[in-house]
Amino acid sequence: QVQLVQSGAEVKKTGASVKVSCKASGYPFVSFDIYWVRQASGQGLEWMGWINPNSGNTGYGQKFQGRVTMTRNISISTVYMELSSLRSEDTAVYYCARMVVLAAGWFDPWGQGTLVSVSS
Amino acid sequence: SYELTQPPSVSVSPGQTASITCSGDKLGDKYAGWYQQKPGQSPVLVIYQNNKRPSGIPERFSGSNSGNTATLTISGTQAMDEADYYCQAWDSSTVVFGGGTKLTVL
Repeated sequence: QVQLVQSGAEVKKTGASVKVSCKASGYPFVSFDIYWVRQASGQGLEWMGWINPNSGNTGYGQKFQGRVTMTRNISISTVYMELSSLRSEDTAVYYCARMVVLAAGWFDPWGQGTLVSVSS
Repeated sequence: SYELTQPPSVSVSPGQTASITCSGDKLGDKYAGWYQQKPGQSPVLVIYQNNKRPSGIPERFSGSNSGNTATLTISGTQAMDEADYYCQAWDSSTVVFGGGTKLTVL
């Protein structure tokens, strides 16, 4: 079945960087864009950016420009999201999600989420 | 920037119909989708393209979109439907999520 499996929880210091992985299986990896969405505790969903696994092209939300980098390794069907200069407000669950285009883009499925905790 | 507005909470009795709205400027001119998120779990797509259900989503979930409002309707609501629901649309190639609605079944 189509599945996205993310790396485990991370604890980071303020100012550090974190790199979260998302391994895809059950479908042609290069055929679907992957989006990253984060969710702070008790809050809503916040879009961060996307990567096209085939071309490696990326697009980042304005809020994260300059701090986020998304990459991929086609040989292991994995995409990565690296966020730098971490601050306490970056504490959240980070999700990857496959975008399916049916008239518009929809996210299905989502990874299980990776909790990133940032403290001083 | 484009915004989607949802009520923070909606309550419904078991077996009744729940309606969750999502408002945005001329939202009816776009496609809307909905995600269900239960505590501690990842979001799950329940409606896409205004009114289509992915495979495996029960028929009691339906959607509509007209004017400035998209609506998720759950008929014969069950206790298992208690969750947060998020609407989603696109504006100028940017994905937009609503703030979420907590559905309580009591």
